Parts: sequence; structure tokens; C-alpha cells
Amino acid sequence: DAGVIQSPRHEVTEMGQEVTLRCKPISGHDYLFWYRQTMMRGLELLIYFNNNVPIDDSGMPEDRFSAKMPNASFSTLKIQPSEPRDSAVYFCASRFGGWGEKLFFGSGTQLSVL
Amino acid sequence: KQEVTQIPAALSVPEGENLVLNCSFTDSAIYNLQWFRQDPGKGLTSLLLIQSSQREQTSGRLNASLDKSSGRSTLYIAASQPGDSATYLCAVRGETSGSRLTFGEGTQLTVNP
Repeated sequence: DAGVIQSPRHEVTEMGQEVTLRCKPISGHDYLFWYRQTMMRGLELLIYFNNNVPIDDSGMPEDRFSAKMPNASFSTLKIQPSEPRDSAVYFCASRFGGWGEKLFFGSGTQLSVL
Repeated sequence: KQEVTQIPAALSVPEGENLVLNCSFTDSAIYNLQWFRQDPGKGLTSLLLIQSSQREQTSGRLNASLDKSSGRSTLYIAASQPGDSATYLCAVRGETSGSRLTFGEGTQLTVNP
């Protein structure tokens, strides 16, 4: 399996622009997570899905952030409008259901908002 | 609210040394604890997962222990190698937090040849 695939790897945009990050989880995994990593705050969970349904979105910073999972093999995280404080590395991760299953991370998207 | 602390924040050792990384958590009501490795510019790789009912897990030169009642876990790395240089993070899954993991800040390990 190719693992969790994220695109793009790097994104540079200007303040106010819309940004869309994409994720393909590992086939067969029924949980998908979006994390954000910064030096100041470390790793923060933004939202996670189970069987394509959002379960916990309490980590989504504000209404400018939205996430969708239209099917089991694809998810998007959208920021509209983007702000400089959104600059971070955004990770997607997936795992198979069950209490003892390891979490698999993608390589991340480095987002810079100028 | 669960808080996870990792000490030290950074560690530099000569090749071949055995070392221990520490992780502590404030709420002992956990389902499991995972140790991850993160290389610069990369995602996290899960190394070991310990269920709350387990005391330790081993994989190759890595051994992770869990003392749930005291809120502590250690990651032991035997005969360290330069390729072990990375940031190591621990994360706990609470009994009442669904599938949410709480991560520590990590320990940045450098193994010098």
C-alpha cells in the first residue's frame, strides 16, 4: 500500500485566498484525522471522521475552516479566507477501527500564507 | 483536560549508548499510549502502541513501558545509532476522548557517530 497520500506537499498563498488540502487514506481504513503542527502549539487535532461522517470537529479553529469526506478514499480540508496565522504543517492520518490500531500519517502539507 | 509532557526536550548521545525517553500524562484513564517517530519534513511513524492493560511492548531495539497508575511511560532505545536521530513523540488516547489522541511536545534525539 502507498500509505496516506497528501497533496500538495507545499502551498504558498496570499492572505485572503482559498486553500484546499487533499488526502487519500489507506485503503480499508475507516477513520481519518486532520492535524495541524506548529512550533508554538505542537500537534493539534482539527477534525476526525469515521466511515466518512465527521465525529469530532471541536478542534477546527473557526468558521474559515471546513472539512469534507465525500467517500472512503478522499478528504479535503479547506481554508477560506486564509490568514498568515494559518501557516503550519497540516497532516492527514488514518487507521482501521478498533481500540488498538496504530495511526498512520501522511507526509503533510506545508502551508505558508503571506 | 489531559496533558502530556515529555522530558527531556532534546537529547544528544554518542553512538552505541542505551537511552531512555520519558513521557508523563495527567489523567490515568487511558485506553492506550503510542510512541511515534518524526523525521525532519516528514510525517509521524508509529513505533509502538501499548494498551492500558499491558506493561510493555518491544520492537527490535525499542522497548516501551507503561505505568498507567503513575501516569508514566518510557521508551528505551538500545545500542543507539545515528539513524535513530529524530523527534520522538508520545500520544495518549483517553477513555472519554473517543478517538482523539493527545500528543506530547516531543524529544529531539541526536545520536552522534
